[in-house]
Amino acid sequence: SQQGEEDPQALSIQEGENATMNCSYKTSINNLQWYRQNSGRGLVHLILIRSNEREKHSGRLRVTLDTSKKSSSLLITASRAADTASYFCAKRSGGSNYKLTFGKGTLLTVNP
Amino acid sequence: NAGVTQTPKFQVLKTGQSMTLQCAQDMNHEYMSWYRQDPGMGLRLIHYSVGAGITDQGEVPNGYNVSRSTTEDFPLRLLSAAPSQTSVYFCASSYRIGQGDGYTFGSGTRLTVV
Repeated sequence: SQQGEEDPQALSIQEGENATMNCSYKTSINNLQWYRQNSGRGLVHLILIRSNEREKHSGRLRVTLDTSKKSSSLLITASRAADTASYFCAKRSGGSNYKLTFGKGTLLTVNP
Repeated sequence: NAGVTQTPKFQVLKTGQSMTLQCAQDMNHEYMSWYRQDPGMGLRLIHYSVGAGITDQGEVPNGYNVSRSTTEDFPLRLLSAAPSQTSVYFCASSYRIGQGDGYTFGSGTRLTVV
């Protein structure tokens, strides 16, 4: 089974707008990570938030984590056409620190 | 350049053929893994390794073998290729198991089985 399900599946916005993507999971986590994948490329690690953290920032990215709701969100502020990509959340389970389980991703399109 | 190197980038196989997808990293990462990515399915874990000589199965291991004889290399072997194994394969590695580091991904191998 896959955990780390993203919502929405696809999102289309204009340059300069903010983009918010959500991720839900089912069981306890050690940490939750967000990755970006440009078309035809490998995944690139964006940001990691641990289970005891509630919010992290990295440049124009802001990630929040609500362990009571088993959900996380990724906010990209002031989006650019270059942000067009698929975004995946992935969770590292508390019971097994080795495996990273990915969701199906959100396809973000930023229109110039 | 430091990173994860996958070869080949593209491969076409006939049903029943075998092949090995290569993965090498030069970051002294302990943890390495193989994922496959199919449309609408996200990434699914095939096999992983927490260090040289140690491997374990992931979510979809059937039809694949792995070994980890060195820290740097983690090849994925397709024993008898089937059309259902048509996919994009990614190798990923990470340092500090359990410390919460992100993964470094290779650029992928696009495999077609006809």
